[in-house]
Amino acid sequence: EIVLTQSPATLSLSPGERATLSCRASQSVSSSLAWYQQKPGQAPRLLIYDASTRATGIPARFSGSGSGTDFTLTISSLEPEDFAVYYCQQRSNWRTFGQGTKLEIK
Amino acid sequence: QVQLEQSGAEVKKPGASVRISCKASGYTFTSYHMHWVRQAPGQGLEWMGIIDPSGGSTTYAQEFQGSLTVTRDTSTSTVYMELSSLRSEDTAVYYCARDFGSSWYYFEYWGQGTLVTVSS
Repeated sequence: EIVLTQSPATLSLSPGERATLSCRASQSVSSSLAWYQQKPGQAPRLLIYDASTRATGIPARFSGSGSGTDFTLTISSLEPEDFAVYYCQQRSNWRTFGQGTKLEIK
Repeated sequence: QVQLEQSGAEVKKPGASVRISCKASGYTFTSYHMHWVRQAPGQGLEWMGIIDPSGGSTTYAQEFQGSLTVTRDTSTSTVYMELSSLRSEDTAVYYCARDFGSSWYYFEYWGQGTLVTVSS
């Protein structure tokens, strides 16, 4: 099973700042990685797939990069609605999720 | 617009089974695979299984082999998830999630979630 490790566990930033979230895979997943956003009491929302392609309707401030074992989700300038938990997910070998990064308001 | 409407919360005793429904609308039901993903309280996400609504074929995560059954009814565009031999560790919110296409294994649309509580 491929293990996805996200860091940091919690990220405290202010609106307008840049957020950089990391996801590391225990073995290569090529570019078969997605990012999701989840707000309290809501279902997750697909943000990025195939490591760097934005899903339909996702604002341009969200971008993804990486391949192989190291991936990054960047939010260029945080809006108040961006504070949430973010998960990465791989589809290369079965389907697993990272444990999540909580992005909180500083 | 794509909508996935799940059935309501359930409370079950250990050893019982639970069946959750997920009614799809706004797209061609048989053209997109459907997944089930669960989330224990305060925890992360866990993929459980997938069904091809066209032919009914399924694939389950190893840990759910023998306890999970996913079926579909094409006449009502509904997918069902049945989990048997419930334990307290199965207490979670269960989501249906539509695939990006046919076995892309990215989850593009999600139901609202169904809370299953397993307690004696």
